[in-house]
Amino acid sequence: LAKTTQPISMDSYEGQEVNITCSHNNIATNDYITWYQQFPSQGPRFIIQGYKTKVTNEVASLFIPADRKSSTLSLPRVSLSDTAVYYCLVGDRENYGQNFVFGPGTRLSVLP
Amino acid sequence: NAGVTQTPKFRVLKTGQSMTLLCAQDMNHEYMYWYRQDPGMGLRLIHYSVGEGTTAKGEVPDGYNVSRLKKQNFLLGLESAAPSQTSVYFCASRKIDGGGETQYFGPGTRLLVL
Repeated sequence: LAKTTQPISMDSYEGQEVNITCSHNNIATNDYITWYQQFPSQGPRFIIQGYKTKVTNEVASLFIPADRKSSTLSLPRVSLSDTAVYYCLVGDRENYGQNFVFGPGTRLSVLP
Repeated sequence: NAGVTQTPKFRVLKTGQSMTLLCAQDMNHEYMYWYRQDPGMGLRLIHYSVGEGTTAKGEVPDGYNVSRLKKQNFLLGLESAAPSQTSVYFCASRKIDGGGETQYFGPGTRLLVL
């Protein structure tokens, strides 16, 4: 299993861009990188997934360098409602169970 | 389309009691998962299923059993509850298609074992 390392917490102000970096030095060739968001008292919610280069959707962007040993989730112009825990997962999507390791995540606090 | 639902939302048990948590999904997903989340921690995988009639152990399976008799339902059982099983339990179903894979989570079941 590819182990991931993220900052435990981050603070930001409304309207700023937030970048959360995840390290995954032993990522395997078939592994994808997936980010989830979790609000208090709720289950995690899928944000974005990628394999290499850059992926963008209506919520966030995911930057993956060529060596794939890290990835950066970018949240543009955050608001108070983006305060949540963000999890980075790395795993082979064909490996049905053992790849789902959620670490402690990054607790993002958005301040007014 | 309700997505993933969990029953009950909250339960208090005494040590040694048993109970079953029900997870239901209406998205026709093959894969389903049970996780537990302790305060300030990430989710840990308990058991999972890759299809009707199949189950497999995850990271922390001891003290739990599961069954997947119907594709839409995934049951998690506690045979003899212990205080260490006090946690929030999340169920998820997983979609895999050409665009990647996504897990859809339920709202969680809060379990307190006294």
